[in-house]
This record gives sequence, structure tokens and C-alpha cells, in this order.
Amino acid sequence: QLQLQESGPGLVKPSETLSLTCTVSGGSISSSSYYWGWIRQPPGKGLEWIGSIYYSGSTYYNPSLKSRVTISVDTSKNQFSLKLSSVTAADTAVYYCASPPAFQHWGQGTLVTVSS
Amino acid sequence: QLVLTQSPSASASLGASVKLTCTLSSGHSSYAIAWHQQQPEKGPRYLMKLNSDGSHSKGDGIPDRFSGSSSGAERYLTISSLQSEDEADYYCQTWGTGVWVFGGGTKLTVL
Repeated sequence: QLQLQESGPGLVKPSETLSLTCTVSGGSISSSSYYWGWIRQPPGKGLEWIGSIYYSGSTYYNPSLKSRVTISVDTSKNQFSLKLSSVTAADTAVYYCASPPAFQHWGQGTLVTVSS
Repeated sequence: QLVLTQSPSASASLGASVKLTCTLSSGHSSYAIAWHQQQPEKGPRYLMKLNSDGSHSKGDGIPDRFSGSSSGAERYLTISSLQSEDEADYYCQTWGTGVWVFGGGTKLTVL
């Protein structure tokens, strides 16, 4: 049973880079069976797909965020990460990591607030 | 463009049944979707993957009260014998080549 757990700072200043890590347990992140993904949910709003990465390193990003997003995999640590640059208050959200394509497994989520 | 459309809200009485709808955009009627439940103040939980032929595979521990069906571009989630803990937001989600999409969600109220 796959388990995912997000970690990272809960407060980021405007214009800086948001960095989060998702630690995977119960399976190998480099398995050919798996994609890995990030989703976010602003307060009181719906779910928004941020991006996904395949075990081979191929990445796919939401066009609305593509210029600011980088997703990568660290197979040695069984982790994948999210970097979102030039953040503003609009990036305040709960950030989830999950397992595409059907997001069968979700992390518990971590709230990131963008504020000075 | 791959888009999912959901009604913003639905309501049904305790013990009754409710059918939620998710509509795929034109040209995408063959796509599979997934249904997710988000109870108040909690993270999303995967309910099932639903194929265009109506076959579905549920997540671990999902009660038999939850079922899925399909008709054309419509994907349905039926919840029978409604319980108070079924009051939640329900999201459909799909994927294509290099893209993943969520519907806007339906807020289900159990009366």
C-alpha cells in the first residue's frame, strides 16, 4: 500500500520560491508503474492539478503554471519534489502529492501560506 | 480541450440515494475518470476509477453503497443509503496525454 507524505515550509514570502517534498513509502518511486503528481487547493476552492512526473523523468505541467513550476524525482531518497517560483498570495493553498493517473493515493496535504 | 463539468451542489435525505453527474467535454466521451470524496476539513480520498463502459474499480475500504455508471459523455456516482458522513465535496478527475483535469466539484448536503 503506497503512502505519501508532504513536507516543507508552511510560510513563504512573496516573490520567493515555494519548495515541497513528497516522501513515498510502500513502493519504489522508480517503478515503471508509477507517475507522481502535485495538486493544490486554495482556501474554500476546488482542486487544481499542478503537474506530474513519470519515473523516467518526463514532466507534465499545468499550462497556467508551467513557467513557474519544476517537478523532480530523487530516487535515492524515494522522494519527489515541487518548486514554484515567484509566488504571490494567490499561491496560498493546501498542497497535496498524489499518485496519477487516477490519484489513488494521496498525501495528507500541507498548507503553504504566502505572506511577508 | 479536456474539461469536466459538475453541478455545484446536490442534496438528498438521510437514508435515500443520490446520483452525481460529471460530464466530459466534446470529443472525450471515451475517457475514464476517477471520483474523489473530500469530507469537511479533510484531504481528498479516492473512491473509484470509472471507465466509459461503466466498469469501475473502487479504492480500499470504499463501501458497497458507492457505485459508478456511464452513459456517453456522462459519468455518474451513485450513493445509496445516505449517511451523515457522506456529506462532502465530490470531485471527478480525468487525464489525457500529459494533462490531468479536475471538475469543479459537487457539494453534497445530507438533509
